Amino acid sequence: DARVTQTPRDKVTEMGQEVTMRCQPILGHNTVFWYRQTMMQGLELLAYFRNRAPLDDSGMPKDRFSAEMPDATLATLKIQPSEPRDSAVYFCASGFSASGAHEQFFGPGTRLTVL
Amino acid sequence: SQQGEEDPQALSIQEGENATMNCSYKTSINNLQWYRQNSGRGLVHLILIRSNEREKHSGRLRVTLDTSKKSSSLLITASRAADTASYFCAVASSSNTGKLIFGQGTTLQVKP
Repeated sequence: DARVTQTPRDKVTEMGQEVTMRCQPILGHNTVFWYRQTMMQGLELLAYFRNRAPLDDSGMPKDRFSAEMPDATLATLKIQPSEPRDSAVYFCASGFSASGAHEQFFGPGTRLTVL
Repeated sequence: SQQGEEDPQALSIQEGENATMNCSYKTSINNLQWYRQNSGRGLVHLILIRSNEREKHSGRLRVTLDTSKKSSSLLITASRAADTASYFCAVASSSNTGKLIFGQGTTLQVKP
């Protein structure tokens, strides 16, 4: 049963600390998306990759957030330094597309709390 | 900014009744998708409808798309308590870059 996995599932940290979230996309998928979900803003796209190349990270605060795909089986989202306003659930999703929008498969999310 | 906007924000019905949720958007689209999210879980894809399609069915789900009105609706027939969840529409613009823009969602409660 192929699924997107994310670690950690929950993270509590103090303001100023570095946070790294990891995602393993479904094997064979070539697109990876990072979303942030809050009650106030809903689901926001932070960044996405196709074939490991970053296509759009315009939704991401550049000064503190970074997203990478070191290889096809791992995507990372890093926040340094973290702030209380970063508290949210972060979702990774993957899919397969030659081009254009397609069905996305979501992971269970990482619930981040920054104190 | 969110492209899709769902209506209503919340809906409460009895088991067995039908549930209808609406989505409006602002730009030209390549396709529109509906997702479900159970509390504390990730989103699950339900159905994709392309801009040249008007209606699509999947089990108890029926989706319509009216590109002239820039709107879509999701109908769940014969609802069950297990359908209790939030439902989101997501639009892929006609530029078809691969991005989806999600609406704020409709929270559906189905009472047994």
